[in-house]
Amino acid sequence: QQQVKQSPQSLIVQKGGISIINCAYENTAFDYFPWYQQFPGKGPALLIAIRPDVSEKKEGRFTISFNKSAKQFSLHIMDSQPGDSATYFCAATLIQGAQKLVFGQGTRLTINP
Amino acid sequence: EAGVTQFPSHSVIEKGQTVTLRCDPISGHDNLYWYRRVMGKEIKFLLHFVKESKQDESGMPNNRFLAERTGGTYSTLKVQPAELEDSGVYFCASSLMTGGSNSPLHFGNGTRLTVT
Repeated sequence: QQQVKQSPQSLIVQKGGISIINCAYENTAFDYFPWYQQFPGKGPALLIAIRPDVSEKKEGRFTISFNKSAKQFSLHIMDSQPGDSATYFCAATLIQGAQKLVFGQGTRLTINP
Repeated sequence: EAGVTQFPSHSVIEKGQTVTLRCDPISGHDNLYWYRRVMGKEIKFLLHFVKESKQDESGMPNNRFLAERTGGTYSTLKVQPAELEDSGVYFCASSLMTGGSNSPLHFGNGTRLTVT
């Protein structure tokens, strides 16, 4: 049973465009939703995270939108750059206790120059 | 500060052989996690150590997998005997505190295991 569903699996965006990756979760107990960025040959690195008490969080060009009633959250990358080309993973967990992350399947993002 | 270090970066073994993966967490991080990504699928939790104690090993696939963290420093993950379905990328991660948004997970670069 996959508890976090991520789409699309791959995404190609032109430089300067907006990249959007969507995730949906099932467990309503989850209260911490991080996004990880992974470059080839490297491990995932925390990019940005949100808690369900806010509907949006922005850090630079990266924004998480959160819809608690729909149990969905998404990552928006504004003014996408070739250096943003990577695999992105959404995840969910309980903030108290161990960081037993439940990941989505990942989205391979390619930004064309 | 040095990041999470994993060794080896790649391992190719035959079915039935034994492989041991090693992880050195960030110094001072009591929490150590193992995760695995099988080709094309999601990254899945395997287990969690706090210092040398296993807190949660609910994600371990079966008894062919044995994780240890003697002395609460580095950790090893042994697969014995390896099966074809064990192929994937094994990630280690560490964190300073057990939970909380101010103690993020720091991942290593992973060990790519191929069982032939």
